[in-house]
Amino acid sequence: DVKVTQSSRYLVKRTGEKVFLECVQDMDHENMFWYRQDPGLGLRLIYFSYDVKMKEKGDIPEGYSVSREKKERFSLILESASTNQTSMYLCASSFGLAGAFGQYFGPGTRLTVT
Amino acid sequence: QKEVEQNSGPLSVPEGAIASLNCTYSDRGSQSFFWYRQYSGKSPELIMFIYSNGDKEDGRFTAQLNKASQYVSLLIRDSQPSDSATYLCAVNSGTSGSRLTFGEGTQLTVNP
Repeated sequence: DVKVTQSSRYLVKRTGEKVFLECVQDMDHENMFWYRQDPGLGLRLIYFSYDVKMKEKGDIPEGYSVSREKKERFSLILESASTNQTSMYLCASSFGLAGAFGQYFGPGTRLTVT
Repeated sequence: QKEVEQNSGPLSVPEGAIASLNCTYSDRGSQSFFWYRQYSGKSPELIMFIYSNGDKEDGRFTAQLNKASQYVSLLIRDSQPSDSATYLCAVNSGTSGSRLTFGEGTQLTVNP
């Protein structure tokens, strides 16, 4: 079974803090993704990566950055957390270039910024 | 027009009935289609995928694809209370690499 893990299930941070969310997958997948999910807005893609040290902006990259130094690990960084970044953050991974096999999600991190 | 649209729901069916979840997509070049189930407070779980026109069955689940009508559906036979969840439709265009476009989901409640 594909396993995608995320570093925290719940996180509370203060406005202005730098926040790191970690994601690790154990299936040697090339592709990794970061989404946020908010009621009424669905899943929105923040950043994704097709390979080590590669990154691509998704639909809502503002206020975020990412790092992929190893194939199995993809980190999401909130440079200066703001209250509007309070959300559920979901990491996913997939293999293959054409997206034909679907994405597998981690358990999610519910981030609250106060 | 949204790229992927799902019937807005919420959808409520009695236990044992067939639940029908529908999804339309705008990109005629879309190649791969996925259904995810998401329980409240949990992350999405991939339950079905379909690539070719027609039906694909897996246990109580049947995915149906009609590329000419740009329509994909999920049927759940003999619905159980444990099927109560939000169901997300996702589409890969084939030209967007491995990106998926998700619908907003349909909330299904199966009443005992």
